[in-house]
Amino acid sequence: GAVVSQHPSWVICKSGTSVKIECRSLDFQATTMFWYRQFPKQSLMLMATSNEGSKATYEQGVEKDKFLINHASLTLSTLTVTSAHPEDSSFYICSADWDTEAFFGQGTRLTVV
Amino acid sequence: AQTVTQSQPEMSVQEAETVTLSCTYDTSESNYYLFWYKQPPSRQMILVIRQEAYKQQNATENRFSVNFQKAAKSFSLKISDSQLGDTAMYFCAFMKPIYGGSQGNLIFGKGTKLSVKP
Repeated sequence: GAVVSQHPSWVICKSGTSVKIECRSLDFQATTMFWYRQFPKQSLMLMATSNEGSKATYEQGVEKDKFLINHASLTLSTLTVTSAHPEDSSFYICSADWDTEAFFGQGTRLTVV
Repeated sequence: AQTVTQSQPEMSVQEAETVTLSCTYDTSESNYYLFWYKQPPSRQMILVIRQEAYKQQNATENRFSVNFQKAAKSFSLKISDSQLGDTAMYFCAFMKPIYGGSQGNLIFGKGTKLSVKP
């Protein structure tokens, strides 16, 4: 099966700083990737759809200026949490589809202190 | 908008027994996919089983099978011969293809925490 790699697995940052999370499709090309957010003991909520070579599509209520998404190549999408605050602490997961199946990264646990 | 409902926040089953997890969904679409994902403590999302809405036959994958009732918009997961390694969160998910059969985003239910007891 296809492999999606997400990095880092966990990160701790100070309030007010920015953090970049990478999502790579290792053995296939992905024109579309998805970014989800998961709060403790809750489900995954779609944040945005990342489109290669064009602007991301954000879900209602997601601040596009805070969660910057860049999909510069067919194998890499990045999510940058800008000016992070403690309420941004969460588990972030990316996915990409191959052969009509979604493959997920390992997730990134972000803690803002 | 599509919604997915899992009415069982937690369930437990004895090892080697059978358990059924419930899922209902709401959509006006005729073509879509349904999935069950497993999320163990590592939090890696693992596909358990998928069902295409246009297929009447229920999908099966080894010990996992579904009961897909399209008219009732119901998609339950049956786990037979439960094993300790089945302990995890289970999410039911809906997906409408966006173009050319490509994957659209997944809409998840709130999940069911399954505990398999020895």
